[in-house]
Amino acid sequence: SQTIHQWPATLVQPVGSPLSLECTVEGTSNPNLYWYRQAAGRGLQLLFYSVGIGQISSEVPQNLSASRPQDRQFILSSKKLLLSDSGFYLCAWSGTGLTYGYTFGSGTRLTVV
Amino acid sequence: GQQVMQIPQYQHVQEGEDFTTYCNSSTTLSNIQWYKQRPGGHPVFLIQLVKSGEVKKQKRLTFQFGEAKKNSSLHITATQTTDVGTYFCAGTSNDYKLSFGAGTTVTVRA
Repeated sequence: SQTIHQWPATLVQPVGSPLSLECTVEGTSNPNLYWYRQAAGRGLQLLFYSVGIGQISSEVPQNLSASRPQDRQFILSSKKLLLSDSGFYLCAWSGTGLTYGYTFGSGTRLTVV
Repeated sequence: GQQVMQIPQYQHVQEGEDFTTYCNSSTTLSNIQWYKQRPGGHPVFLIQLVKSGEVKKQKRLTFQFGEAKKNSSLHITATQTTDVGTYFCAGTSNDYKLSFGAGTTVTVRA
């Protein structure tokens, strides 16, 4: 069966520090991968998505970047965190095509102080 | 761009009562999906609707896709405390991206 792993679960980082969040998927190949951010009590904002290795599409201009170095690995990064980067970051995967729901990881709660 | 609007934002329900949350899109959707996020948790996929006018049921939950494929609803009967959480609708108009509504956060009075 397919599983998605996301870590760390919580993170407190100072302003100006770098960020690296990792997400891996098991049990499937060539998944579509996504990074979402959820502000407290708010909806889900799509940050990046990837349909293949090295293919990254950015939805919102911001202080973040994403990379997909391997088929089932998706990384969210920042060189210098801002206070506004605080939030709940969710990685998700889906099959290709229109017939698949998204499976979300357990998320990372990032607090920038 | 595509926008998915969801109402109400908050729903306070007496245990045992029914309620409905609504989802509307500015564009025609290929499909609509519904997710549930428990407090402190991550969204979990509930169901997908694809066909115009489609209705699907999961126990006390009834999901409906509008005839024009621009709106959807989730109706929950006999609300229980286990129904607490935020329900998101999400629509697809291309192969890769879902646009999520802002969610309906449900609280239940015992």
